[in-house]
Amino acid sequence: KNQVEQSPQSLIILEGKNCTLQCNYTVSPFSNLRWYKQDTGRGPVSLTIMTFSENTKSNGRYTATLDADTKQSSLHITASQLSDSASYICVVSVAAGNKLTFGGGTRVLVKP
Amino acid sequence: GAGVSQSPSNKVTEKGKDVELRCDPISGHTALYWYRQSLGQGLEFLIYFQGNSAPDKSGLPSDRFSAERTGGSVSTLTIQRTQQEDSAVYLCASSYRDSTDTQYFGPGTRLTVL
Repeated sequence: KNQVEQSPQSLIILEGKNCTLQCNYTVSPFSNLRWYKQDTGRGPVSLTIMTFSENTKSNGRYTATLDADTKQSSLHITASQLSDSASYICVVSVAAGNKLTFGGGTRVLVKP
Repeated sequence: GAGVSQSPSNKVTEKGKDVELRCDPISGHTALYWYRQSLGQGLEFLIYFQGNSAPDKSGLPSDRFSAERTGGSVSTLTIQRTQQEDSAVYLCASSYRDSTDTQYFGPGTRLTVL
C-alpha cells in the first residue's frame, strides 16, 4: 500500500531558529515528491517539487532533500519567521499515474 | 492572475440533504482534482479530471458522491443524502496538464453536516 509518513506531527520552535521535517514514503513506482505549506484555513501552496534525479531543491528559506534509495525526504526551514507557522505536507506522486499520496502533515508553530 | 476559486466558502446543511460544491480552476488548466480534509487529518483524494479523458473516481468514498466537469472548466462536486461524517473541508486543485505539474489549490469549502 502506498503510504507517506511524516514526523514529527507537530513542533514548536523559537523565531530565528532552524528546524527539519521528515517524510518517509513507500510509494512505488516513484515519480516526484512535493512539499506544500498550508496556512490555517487556506489551501496548500507548493514549496518544492523534486524528481527521482534531484536530491536537493531550495525555495528561499526552505530547502528540501530527497534520498530516493532510502525513500526519505526532509524539509529544512532556516531562520524561521512567525509566518512559517503552518502545516507542511509531503506529497508523493506515482509514476505514470494521476494520484498523489499525501502525508498527514507536520504542524509547525513559530513563537517569538 | 486569478487562482482557483471555490464556492461557497462555508456550507452548513442538515443530515440527509444534498449539497453542491463548485470549483473554478485556473484558466487553461486541463487537470482538476477534488480532495477532502477532515479535521486534523491529511488530504484524501476524491476524483481527478484530465482533459476529455474519463475521470478517475477511485477516491470517491461512496455512491453518494459524484462530480462533473462541464466544458473542461468548472467542476461541481455533489454529495447526496449528506451524513455527519461528510463534514470536512473540500479542496479543489488544478494543474496545467497532469499530476506531474504543480497543483494550485483553492481555499476550500468547509462543509458542516448537522
